[in-house]
Amino acid sequence: DGGITQSPKYLFRKEGQNVTLSCEQNLNHDAMYWYRQDPGQGLRLIYYSQIVNDFQKGDIAEGYSVSREKKESFPLTVTSAQKNPTAFYLCASRNRDYTEAFFGQGTRLTVV
Amino acid sequence: AQSVTQPDIHITVSEGASLELRCNYSYGATPYLFWYVQSPGQGLQLLLKYFSGDTLVQGIKGFEAEFKRSQSSFNLRKPSVHWSDAAEYFCAVLPASGTYKYIFGTGTRLKVLA
Repeated sequence: DGGITQSPKYLFRKEGQNVTLSCEQNLNHDAMYWYRQDPGQGLRLIYYSQIVNDFQKGDIAEGYSVSREKKESFPLTVTSAQKNPTAFYLCASRNRDYTEAFFGQGTRLTVV
Repeated sequence: AQSVTQPDIHITVSEGASLELRCNYSYGATPYLFWYVQSPGQGLQLLLKYFSGDTLVQGIKGFEAEFKRSQSSFNLRKPSVHWSDAAEYFCAVLPASGTYKYIFGTGTRLKVLA
């Protein structure tokens, strides 16, 4: 079955550590996205990528980094510069035809 | 600035009652419009979408939405709510100008009373 896989589902990080969230898709989609979700704030765009080896900052990119070396993969690194990283992170992808975005099941990151 | 407004943070309805969730957008031209549903701790699932044509669109799980250009609205409706519809609902827009950036509303959490 085609889809988007995010791993891990739950992640705990100590303050001051970097952590990488995985996002893999086998839908052959060109565009991929990372969103952060906090209660009452909806989804806020962190980074997005339209093609391999290219990505753009979203609305809240500070403290995050991404790479897009393969079409299937769009990992997100939460760095120690991110002041409040505890949140639910969603990855999504979309095909060229301006149809809907498909979402993964999310990763809940908790800083301890 | 482009924005999506979902004025109702929480809505409670009884099972079997009708439902309407409101969504208004602010954008110069008609964007592409979407409604997504999210169960707790899960990703988002598309309910329906509007690109052009008939302003009343049908989606999955018995949902429908009506696009009203004059009101810049895209309200979601369901004639009879089931307990399994309890979830959070997000309206989203994608400007039709070639950008890849979706804009999401803040969501409406639906509670269904038995």
